Amino acid sequence: GENVEQHPSTLSVQEGDSAVIKCTYSDSASNYFPWYKQELGKRPQLIIDIRSNVGEKKDQRIAVTLNKTAKHFSLHITETQPEDSAVYFCAASIGGGADGLTFGKGTHLIIQP
Amino acid sequence: DVKVTQSSRYLVKRTGEKVFLECVQDMDHENMFWYRQDPGLGLRLIYFSYDVKMKEKGDIPEGYSVSREKKERFSLILESASTNQTSMYLCASSLRLAAEQYFGPGTRLTVT
Repeated sequence: GENVEQHPSTLSVQEGDSAVIKCTYSDSASNYFPWYKQELGKRPQLIIDIRSNVGEKKDQRIAVTLNKTAKHFSLHITETQPEDSAVYFCAASIGGGADGLTFGKGTHLIIQP
Repeated sequence: DVKVTQSSRYLVKRTGEKVFLECVQDMDHENMFWYRQDPGLGLRLIYFSYDVKMKEKGDIPEGYSVSREKKERFSLILESASTNQTSMYLCASSLRLAAEQYFGPGTRLTVT
């Protein structure tokens, strides 16, 4: 089955700086790559997703890039703010097939004031 | 607004008990999922269902079963609870398989 590796497990950045979280996946058939944010004590929520026919997608301060050849995708957060502090999970899915999401182990992002 | 609810926020059960975790969604979503979340391990898929009475094994189905008799309700069953099933259990639903999943608030299950 699919295997998703996520790095780093913890990331501490100064407020206002950028943060980058990287994921790799194993199944070349995967074609849907979402990112979820989970604040302390709350449920995960989708922040951005990308499909394999697109190389990059942006939504205000967050962007995701996908390199299908290398089988890796990354989350970029610019101008980080205190409310960005959370655990972020990447995931991969074959999409149209009968499978669910395979998640990475998560990155705890800490924004230092 | 999509609403996914779970029957309990906290549950304490004894080893060997049969445990039922219930999940209900109100958006007429086709797909429903059960995950467990453990520190340092992320979310791991236990089972999912893409239609009423249909179910598919996820990555860690051992020791669990599921039931989906109605579209809006998806139940996770621990036939004989064990201490290694102590975890946070999250239910989710989505309109399509490769689409946004909406999560419930989670059930923290402790098996003693």
